[in-house]
Amino acid sequence: AQKVTQAQTEISVVEKEDVTLDCVYETRDTTYYLFWYKQPPSGELVFLIRRNSFDEQNEISGRYSWNFQKSTSSFNFTITASQVVDSAVYFCALSEANYGGSQGNLIFGKGTKLSVKP
Amino acid sequence: NAGVTQTPKFRILKIGQSMTLQCTQDMNHNYMYWYRQDPGMGLKLIYYSVGAGITDKGEVPNGYNVSRSTTEDFPLRLELAAPSQTSVYFCASSYGARSYNSPLHFGNGTRLTVT
Repeated sequence: AQKVTQAQTEISVVEKEDVTLDCVYETRDTTYYLFWYKQPPSGELVFLIRRNSFDEQNEISGRYSWNFQKSTSSFNFTITASQVVDSAVYFCALSEANYGGSQGNLIFGKGTKLSVKP
Repeated sequence: NAGVTQTPKFRILKIGQSMTLQCTQDMNHNYMYWYRQDPGMGLKLIYYSVGAGITDKGEVPNGYNVSRSTTEDFPLRLELAAPSQTSVYFCASSYGARSYNSPLHFGNGTRLTVT
């Protein structure tokens, strides 16, 4: 069965610290897609990144980087030199290519609440 | 540059009342979705639509109904509100045929409380 686990419920860091948010997934499919979304205190959901199962290259975007490892079924997200504006709930999500025909059915983790203190 | 717009932002319902959550998008996306987010949980898919006139159930459809008469609008109807429907509801849309081909664009959410 498909499942996304974000074991860290809450993380608190001081500004400028690096922080890694963990995401472990389970799927039967060989073709799948992984996502990270950010939910700031204002409540909207903001798309951060999409990764397909055939591309294990790590990705860097500014202070954000993502480490995808199929061997450990993990898709971890690192924020370098964190800032107060990074405070949010971060969701990891999984979409299977052949999931029951249900399009758009992202399987979300429970989220990790990140607090960055000045 | 509105994107996905949801109304209302907040609502309190009494048990047994009905209401419609409105969602409209101006990106000409064919695909639209309704999710609910319970406290401390991720989002779960309620219903989705692949185009005007076509809707289908997601993971948690019970107690809800949808319609899609136009590309832009995808309202979610609660007929007999129950406390278990207290949640934050998100509408989303996407351009591509499947979520993995294009990211979902979310509205700002509707916070519903049923007492």
